[in-house]
Amino acid sequence: DTAVSQTPKYLVTQMGNDKSIKCEQNLGHDTMYWYKQDSKKFLKIMFSYNNKELIINETVPNRFSPKSPDKAHLNLHINSLELGDSAVYFCASSQDLATPEQYFGPGTRLTVT
Amino acid sequence: GENVEQHPSTLSVQEGDSAVIKCTYSDSASNYFPWYKQELGKRPQLIIDIRSNVGEKKDQRIAVTLNKTAKHFSLHITETQPEDSAVYFCAATLLGGKLIFGQGTELSVKP
Repeated sequence: DTAVSQTPKYLVTQMGNDKSIKCEQNLGHDTMYWYKQDSKKFLKIMFSYNNKELIINETVPNRFSPKSPDKAHLNLHINSLELGDSAVYFCASSQDLATPEQYFGPGTRLTVT
Repeated sequence: GENVEQHPSTLSVQEGDSAVIKCTYSDSASNYFPWYKQELGKRPQLIIDIRSNVGEKKDQRIAVTLNKTAKHFSLHITETQPEDSAVYFCAATLLGGKLIFGQGTELSVKP
């Protein structure tokens, strides 16, 4: 069974479009995260949610909007896509805010043309 | 602000040799230090971690050491194998789960 899953795995779209990436975890974890990995492999946190509440909101353009319908899901919606948004986006989860071990999803490779 | 520096950026060793990757962190309040291994096209996988109340932790061929005074921590891989080839990331975090990652080390183990 896949613990943290993301869809789609690949996403190719044009500048200006709006797209969403979905993440689900079946670990019963309370906390979920979104990370961006750029072309140089650098991993940077974007958002975290705990029990559907926003905890971390890094300096991310407001074109990025996370949504957590329940604690097992954390989706990422991106408006008005730009070339610089091309990256691999990873979802992750941890048991709760006090348990720091984070487990990553398979990633979504977003290419904006 | 929070920062994690990782060295070297690339490391090439012969199979059977040891590999050491070093990281330094800036925020003295950091209390959890995981190491992730990322194979090409795959997700980062947690391979070992250490908390600030421990100086060393070992799991088979991998070990991590922490020097809180110097704000250094290191990953040691002994008896390297070709399947150890990957990008390794160190990270540091405060309470609340905000992981700050190092820049990554591309380890190549030559048979």
